[in-house]
Amino acid sequence: DAMVIQNPRYQVTQFGKPVTLSCSQTLNHNVMYWYQQKSSQAPKLLFHYYDKDFNNEADTPDNFQSRRPNTSFCFLDIRSPGLGDAAMYLCATSRRARAQYFGPGTRLTVL
Amino acid sequence: AQTVTQSQPEMSVQEAETVTLSCTYDTSESDYYLFWYKQPPSRQMILVIRQEAYKQQNATENRFSVNFQKAAKSFSLKISDSQLGDAAMYFCAYTPNAGGTSYGKLTFGQGTILTVHP
Repeated sequence: DAMVIQNPRYQVTQFGKPVTLSCSQTLNHNVMYWYQQKSSQAPKLLFHYYDKDFNNEADTPDNFQSRRPNTSFCFLDIRSPGLGDAAMYLCATSRRARAQYFGPGTRLTVL
Repeated sequence: AQTVTQSQPEMSVQEAETVTLSCTYDTSESDYYLFWYKQPPSRQMILVIRQEAYKQQNATENRFSVNFQKAAKSFSLKISDSQLGDAAMYFCAYTPNAGGTSYGKLTFGQGTILTVHP
């Protein structure tokens, strides 16, 4: 089945230690998104790629970066995680600006 | 700027009964999409149903249906024959179908927690 896959599902890191989260998709969608979701809140968009074009949200901290080496893969890099970065990170994909399909998420814990 | 409002932080329903979740939105666009997403506790966000603004007919997916009132900017979700597995946080979301900086971005409501009682 076509899907959005996120690895790892759970990530524990230490304060200030860089971490990379990965997302892959078999839907062949041209748009990929990264969201941060904290408990009982709506997801907050960090950035998205429309094809190869990178679009950063104005309030996304510089600590967060992303890479999309090809259509299928996208990575979220957190350069120096702080306690406030502990959250669920969701990857989503869409074809153009249609419905977004979400992966299962990576729960990040910062010690 | 577009906004989406879900005025019901929590709702509950008895198993096998019907419940309606409310959503209103504000936009100056005429062409857009509306969605309902379901997120069970600690589980994946799933697309429940979608509505295209230029389609007058209300979308239906099995037990889930919407009441789309474009003039009133209202988009409610009706769940019929509620099941225990319907318990989740439900998000209403909007995206414009036009170019510009908002293209492709979802604007979410605050969410409604649905509890289903056996």
